[in-house]
Amino acid sequence: AQSVAQPEDQVNVAEGNPLTVKCTYSVSGNPYLFWYVQYPNRGLQFLLKYITGDNLVKGSYGFEAEFNKSQTSFHLKKPSALVSDSALYFCAVRGNSGYSTLTFGKGTMLLVSP
Amino acid sequence: GAGVSQSPRYKVAKRGQDVALRCDPISGHVSLFWYQQALGQGPEFLTYFQNEAQLDKSGLPSDRFFAERPEGSVSTLKIQRTQQEDSAVYLCASSVLDRGSSYEQYFGPGTRLTVT
Repeated sequence: AQSVAQPEDQVNVAEGNPLTVKCTYSVSGNPYLFWYVQYPNRGLQFLLKYITGDNLVKGSYGFEAEFNKSQTSFHLKKPSALVSDSALYFCAVRGNSGYSTLTFGKGTMLLVSP
Repeated sequence: GAGVSQSPRYKVAKRGQDVALRCDPISGHVSLFWYQQALGQGPEFLTYFQNEAQLDKSGLPSDRFFAERPEGSVSTLKIQRTQQEDSAVYLCASSVLDRGSSYEQYFGPGTRLTVT
């Protein structure tokens, strides 16, 4: 069975500092990996995805994520955090062969302080 | 263009009542997914449609849950005889191509169901 672990319930960072939100996964075969962000009372918004190719993926709003196959990780990063980045972030995985559903982690709340 | 819309946004039901939740996907999207998001958790898969065909309903928690997409566009998730454990946010998502693809899913704002 596939799974996603987001080990931190909350990440606190000061505005202007770099941020990292951690994600590790387990899936049969090679993964498709996704990051979504959820603002209060709104649906999930797609940030970025890893399908194949370069391990460093760039996405919306200055976010990027690094795929590490040996560590089965897909950490979300941003060089300089903004207060407006404060939100709930979800990592998700599906296998890339045959049929599989999208499995989400529990989410990590990112709080950026001014 | 318009995104995925869901209605109602909020629903309060008394235990034992039936509810119907509606999803309007992005026009032209073949795939439609329903998820259940409990408080403090990530979304959990309920069911999947490819056009009008329900190809996977393995995530539906009980036979009280029923979903349909009769014309391959709008979908309705129905919960019969609601129970308190059904209280959650129900998210609908749509995607361009089929379930095995690498395409991202676009989510609606969700319906928050509270069963009292």
